[in-house]
Amino acid sequence: NAGVTQTPKFQVLKTGQSMTLQCAQDMNHEYMSWYRQDPGMGLRLIHYSVGAGITDQGEVPNGYNVSRSTTEDFPLRLLSAAPSQTSVYFCASSYSVWRGTGELFFGEGSRLTVL
Amino acid sequence: AQKVTQAQTEISVVEKEDVTLDCVYETRDTTYYLFWYKQPPSGELVFLIRRNSFDEQNEISGRYSWNFQKSTSSFNFTITASQVVDSAVYFCALSEGGGFKTIFGAGTRLFVKA
Repeated sequence: NAGVTQTPKFQVLKTGQSMTLQCAQDMNHEYMSWYRQDPGMGLRLIHYSVGAGITDQGEVPNGYNVSRSTTEDFPLRLLSAAPSQTSVYFCASSYSVWRGTGELFFGEGSRLTVL
Repeated sequence: AQKVTQAQTEISVVEKEDVTLDCVYETRDTTYYLFWYKQPPSGELVFLIRRNSFDEQNEISGRYSWNFQKSTSSFNFTITASQVVDSAVYFCALSEGGGFKTIFGAGTRLFVKA
């Protein structure tokens, strides 16, 4: 089982560039979400989705865009990268709490550096 | 709005000591879910436990135990007889209602010295 797959694992961008972090899951999970992890701040929710075609903002959505055209894929777009977006990004997916434990399954993370 | 506070930034213990990681949460919902995750030095995130708001039973799994108290909005995690392999960052998390939006605390970094 592949689980949650994120690409790329590492990326260096210049300020102002745009890019997309890809996330795919093969567990038929309804819920998907993106987090960023910064030292001392834990995991902060950027955007989440409860199903194909439905997305919503999390705690720190500014500067990021998402879409969910299929159950499997949930890409995260950085529109115009800024140094403050230097972080480790995690994609996660889960069943709803009615179908399972609600446990989040995480990808391996993508380390992004913005110069 | 939901919020999770882990006031302990770092804890250092010697092997075989017991250690408790604190978690305090805030929510307006009557139905919610609490979680603990572990992030070892390798970086992956590992699910440890989920508790429902309507089930206040404490749980024990080997050397791990969890104490859920709604009266104090706390969900604390105790490791008994800690081992070096327990060294990691531990996150407490909260999901309200449908459980699709999970918010994490800042994490507690645990160092267990041999």
